[in-house]
Amino acid sequence: AQSVAQPEDQVNVAEGNPLTVKCTYSVSGNPYLFWYVQYPNRGLQFLLKYITGDNLVKGSYGFEAEFNKSQTSFHLKKPSALVSDSALYFCAVRDKGNQNTGGFKTIFGAGTRLFVKA
Amino acid sequence: AAGVIQSPRHLIKEKRETATLKCYPIPRHDTVYWYQQGPGQDPQFLISFYEKMQSDKGSIPDRFSAQQFSDYHSELNMSSLELGDSALYFCASSLKRITGELFFGEGSRLTVL
Repeated sequence: AQSVAQPEDQVNVAEGNPLTVKCTYSVSGNPYLFWYVQYPNRGLQFLLKYITGDNLVKGSYGFEAEFNKSQTSFHLKKPSALVSDSALYFCAVRDKGNQNTGGFKTIFGAGTRLFVKA
Repeated sequence: AAGVIQSPRHLIKEKRETATLKCYPIPRHDTVYWYQQGPGQDPQFLISFYEKMQSDKGSIPDRFSAQQFSDYHSELNMSSLELGDSALYFCASSLKRITGELFFGEGSRLTVL
């Protein structure tokens, strides 16, 4: 089964500094990878995805992620963090699911809480 | 732009009661997912529907059931509620079931007393 791992429960960074939130994946076949952000008591919001093509993917709010096949990683990055980026970030992978019924589901990592200090 | 609509946003139930959550996906999205998120946890996949047919099941208890109706809205029915069912329940929809990102509703917070 497909899975993703987020090795850090929490990341702390100062405003204006670059940030990285780590994610590694384990998949069979082509990986379909996603990043989502969640603010308190809100639904998850899509940031970016890697399906195929360029390894550097650009997404919403200035975020980007680099797909690295040899390291099986899909780290989320931003050149200059904002206090408003403080939130819970989830890496996710699309799982083949039940191929008899055509089901595909998204599996989420445990999440990384990002704190950006002013 | 239209988003995924969930109702109710909050509900409080007693143990052994029944609850029903509703979800209205984004128009033209063909896949609906239900997730359960406990405090401080990642969303756990419960069940999904593709073109109104159940397409996959995850860690959904037998006490729970779900369906998708002809107008594409979906309902999650939960019976014999337990304290451990207290969580945020999210509905999400997707335009492309294989590569498409999920669009989440704001969630329904269920508290079981």
